[in-house]
Amino acid sequence: ETGVTQTPRHLVMGMTNKKSLKCEQHLGHNAMYWYKQSAKKPLELMFVYSLEERVENNSVPSRFSPECPNSSHLFLHLHTLQPEDSALYLCASSQAVTGPENHPHGYTFGSGTRLTVV
Amino acid sequence: SQKIEQNSEALNIQEGKTATLTCNYTNYSPAYLQWYRQDPGRGPVFLLLIRENEKEKRKERLKVTFDTTLKQSLFHITASQPADSATYLCALGVGGYNKLIFGAGTRLAVHP
Repeated sequence: ETGVTQTPRHLVMGMTNKKSLKCEQHLGHNAMYWYKQSAKKPLELMFVYSLEERVENNSVPSRFSPECPNSSHLFLHLHTLQPEDSALYLCASSQAVTGPENHPHGYTFGSGTRLTVV
Repeated sequence: SQKIEQNSEALNIQEGKTATLTCNYTNYSPAYLQWYRQDPGRGPVFLLLIRENEKEKRKERLKVTFDTTLKQSLFHITASQPADSATYLCALGVGGYNKLIFGAGTRLAVHP
């Protein structure tokens, strides 16, 4: 385990379903991220949370809805997805200062949720 | 347009040799650059970070260089082992909140 836990590991859902992905970290990090990884493509940044506040929404369709109830937990709520949304969804956390200035640290990633939309 | 380019072809090398992976970028001005290792079906694992004012960083058998004039980073694994076989990702630190933009990665295969 890396310190960042994602559940479920695999998810198959129909286009009309509603499901949620969960991410949990107990590393004391104050920033959390959702990335999408499709085959042979770079990781795509979806959302950034700093101290439970969303600070970046990277033009993600509204069928993806993030939630950060506290600094240890991050959710991605999914509804009416399309087959092209099938991918590996990765959560990561890092230590970042509050405010927009950079403070570089490596990310700790979870193992991801492999999502298949049928 | 903004691009991060890593060798899309797999890199095949013999055990014991030095592997060199390249990361080139255009139209970014990263304050720092990171390298990650990713195994199939797993999340990336952080390896090294290098800041824009640093030329070189080392950690055990790993070495990273960062040339902001050439807009390039090189990642070296010396005395490579079959266990080093994986996909290696470079990531640029851009904007605030430690936001990272990733390249597509290069697959390295080390043969006994």
